Amino acid sequence: GAGVSQSPSNKVTEKGKDVELRCDPISGHTALYWYRQSLGQGLEFLIYFQGNSAPDKSGLPSDRFSAERTGGSVSTLTIQRTQQEDSAVYLCASSSGGLANNEQFFGPGTRLTVL
Amino acid sequence: AQSVTQPDIHITVSEGASLELRCNYSYGATPYLFWYVQSPGQGLQLLLKYFSGDTLVQGIKGFEAEFKRSQSSFNLRKPSVHWSDAAEYFCAVGGTGGSYIPTFGRGTSLIVHP
Repeated sequence: GAGVSQSPSNKVTEKGKDVELRCDPISGHTALYWYRQSLGQGLEFLIYFQGNSAPDKSGLPSDRFSAERTGGSVSTLTIQRTQQEDSAVYLCASSSGGLANNEQFFGPGTRLTVL
Repeated sequence: AQSVTQPDIHITVSEGASLELRCNYSYGATPYLFWYVQSPGQGLQLLLKYFSGDTLVQGIKGFEAEFKRSQSSFNLRKPSVHWSDAAEYFCAVGGTGGSYIPTFGRGTSLIVHP
């Protein structure tokens, strides 16, 4: 597609369940980022993928969070045993390279609600 | 470590009035600076960016920003606001010191009165 897509757009789950959030970056973009946006907060960095390099997982808040990127394209963010504090909008972004001056292209986000 | 401060959580302006959104950063050298806009229910879209050169940067939708090294600021401006400009605005500093992870401010919510 022309832009970054994310699915689902909304996800409601019960506390303790696992969820998977999907991100399809712009074709050819080697860098992919996941962020979390809580109400009234800025963007909290979660994880960064660049090409075939090991991902930067320094932003993951707990070991319940994990992400993978298959074939250098689609990425899945998994949250295990969800908690109410995990409720937020999860944004994915991609860029053409991993340089600090590259523009990021964002998807519309997945709104996660944990009941 | 780099940081970004957007001191205004909310800004309210009348349609047609001028706008200035403030952004201050903390970093020793000249950083890469960005302004993004987020409309309700959507992802972030780049308005403009500064890397070097002319300190006054023109962006999309009639926005501009000025880099002032002495004040560590990168304020966003628009001479005449339209109702469609109502959105959340984020200032960001590009990854520095070898990091590729940008740092985002907490955002400023722009409310436009008719």
